[in-house]
Amino acid sequence: NAGVTQTPKFQVLKTGQSMTLQCAQDMNHEYMSWYRQDPGMGLRLIHYSVGAGITDQGEVPNGYNVSRSTTEDFPLRLLSAAPSQTSVYFCASSYRGQGAETQYFGPGTRLLVL
Amino acid sequence: AQSVSQHNHHVILSEAASLELGCNYSYGGTVNLFWYVQYPGQHLQLLLKYFSGDPLVKGIKGFEAEFIKSKFSFNLRKPSVQWSDTAEYFCAVNAGNNRKLIWGLGTSLAVNP
Repeated sequence: NAGVTQTPKFQVLKTGQSMTLQCAQDMNHEYMSWYRQDPGMGLRLIHYSVGAGITDQGEVPNGYNVSRSTTEDFPLRLLSAAPSQTSVYFCASSYRGQGAETQYFGPGTRLLVL
Repeated sequence: AQSVSQHNHHVILSEAASLELGCNYSYGGTVNLFWYVQYPGQHLQLLLKYFSGDPLVKGIKGFEAEFIKSKFSFNLRKPSVQWSDTAEYFCAVNAGNNRKLIWGLGTSLAVNP
């Protein structure tokens, strides 16, 4: 299993540009989520999905869209990039099995918005 | 609202020193508790977790944590740290049937050789 993969690893955008951060997992996990990580602010949940076709907002959803057409993929779209969206973005997936649900993280995407 | 508090934001230790990182949460019901570690330039990895049973949980790399329900705490410990333990450590809580994790702000640990 490749686990959770994210592309690209690094991206530089100009203010106003749009882009899609890709996330895929091959573990058949139904739950997927996007976080952003900023210094001193820990991890903040942007959007999450409990299964294909179902998405919901986290604590910082503004400026981001998601869709979940398949179990495997959960792309994050930046509609019109702003410098405040400069961050490291992590995708995670998990399943509700025995015991506590454990989230598996991707390697992250470092985004710089100029 | 549910929250997770990590008391130490930055910790600096010498090799072989003992480590204890504090984590408290605010939720009165059933919880699942996690510690994740993020080594420099890497993604988050699960260190250990508690969901039921023995409140003393052992994780990877010699780490352990103790769930004290009466204190709403889940402190992380290691008897003797190594330089390779330099990383950021995050406590997280999954409360009730909510699948979302509530995260602490993290503790940055630097171990001097």
